[in-house]
Amino acid sequence: QKEVEQDPGPLSVPEGAIVSLNCTYSNSAFQYFMWYRQYSRKGPELLMYTYSSGNKEDGRFTAQVDKSSKYISLFIRDSQPSDSATYLCASLPIKAAGNKLTFGGGTRVLVKP
Amino acid sequence: EPEVTQTPSHQVTQMGQEVILRCVPISNHLYFYWYRQILGQKVEFLVSFYNNEISEKSEIFDDQFSVERPDGSNFTLKIRSTKLEDSAMYFCASSGGTANSPLHFGNGTRLTVT
Repeated sequence: QKEVEQDPGPLSVPEGAIVSLNCTYSNSAFQYFMWYRQYSRKGPELLMYTYSSGNKEDGRFTAQVDKSSKYISLFIRDSQPSDSATYLCASLPIKAAGNKLTFGGGTRVLVKP
Repeated sequence: EPEVTQTPSHQVTQMGQEVILRCVPISNHLYFYWYRQILGQKVEFLVSFYNNEISEKSEIFDDQFSVERPDGSNFTLKIRSTKLEDSAMYFCASSGGTANSPLHFGNGTRLTVT
């Protein structure tokens, strides 16, 4: 079983729509969750970092974590064509050192003008 | 905003040659990492480095790989005797004061082994 799974997409939405992205994980040791945005041939860019179950909002982005069902989500409001990218979820166990992030395969998002 | 910088952006090498990929992490960060992404695949962990030593490495990080922090600002990944399957994007990352701080990635070095 893959540790972190995402639907690869592509997810195509019209400009201004809400983008809804989901990720599931299987390892109960994962306690920290991140969402990254990756443009083609660029490095992952950190968007959101969460620990607790519940919602965290930052501008147009809302991250949601449900540890009981091992499910994390990212919502992008008022989507723009510049939001077209691959979105990666990543998880991290509580650990003293090492910080081995486990990534999902990414969901490709296309926002059409 | 401070960022992780990597050089070169693209490296082409012949099979069997040695390559060194270079990174300048964010200046006040304490933890350093290398990840790689083979075209079309997931971003994979290679190694983490803290307090001048490797803290964890994956099964990919075998004896052909090594890391070094030669001075206070650079962090390097050396691949000895490159193989065709080493062709990938290599990302350096750094994180701040705790092991669970979020990682910040550079834009990567695209390594092509011919």
